[in-house]
Amino acid sequence: AQRVTQPEKLLSVFKGAPVELKCNYSYSGSPELFWYVQYSRQRLQLLLRHISRESIKGFTADLNKGETSFHLKKPFAQEEDSAMYYCALWNNQGGKLIFGQGTELSVKP
Amino acid sequence: DVKVTQSSRYLVKRTGEKVFLECVQDMDHENMFWYRQDPGLGLRLIYFSYDVKMKEKGDIPEGYSVSREKKERFSLILESASTNQTSMYLCAISKAGAGTEAFFGQGTRLTVV
Repeated sequence: AQRVTQPEKLLSVFKGAPVELKCNYSYSGSPELFWYVQYSRQRLQLLLRHISRESIKGFTADLNKGETSFHLKKPFAQEEDSAMYYCALWNNQGGKLIFGQGTELSVKP
Repeated sequence: DVKVTQSSRYLVKRTGEKVFLECVQDMDHENMFWYRQDPGLGLRLIYFSYDVKMKEKGDIPEGYSVSREKKERFSLILESASTNQTSMYLCAISKAGAGTEAFFGQGTRLTVV
């Protein structure tokens, strides 16, 4: 079955520290993976997608097919990065977008 | 600017009531989704639709139904609300095709008492 797993419910770091939010997936085929973010009192929005291979707000994510992972990284966390982060997988076979459980990132001053 | 509008921000309903949650988009996107968002469980897909009058079950369709009579409107129906359906409900849209960006509504916080 297609599944997205985010093992950490909460990740707390200090400003300036590196951040890595973990995401693992199970999918039979070539996955299309995304990170979505929800800031306090805002809508859920796309942060980045693996096919773009871009860096958004200093965040990057690399698809590792061998480890079936798509971890989100940032070398120096900022307080404004505090938010809820969701990893998502597009299921081509079902035509639907599947999300993980979410990780709350808290960046302390 | 993409607009996905959910009809209510907050709703309080009684157990057994029939509840309608409406989602309207102005982007002419083909795909529309309903999720519920619960702490620790993330977003779980209830139903989705890729065309008018088409609907597909998601991962947790029990106790829900949907209607898509027009391309821009996707309704989620709780046939007989129960307390375990208290949740945040999110509507999302995306263009047809694999891996396109999803745009979300502001959410409806439903409380069933």
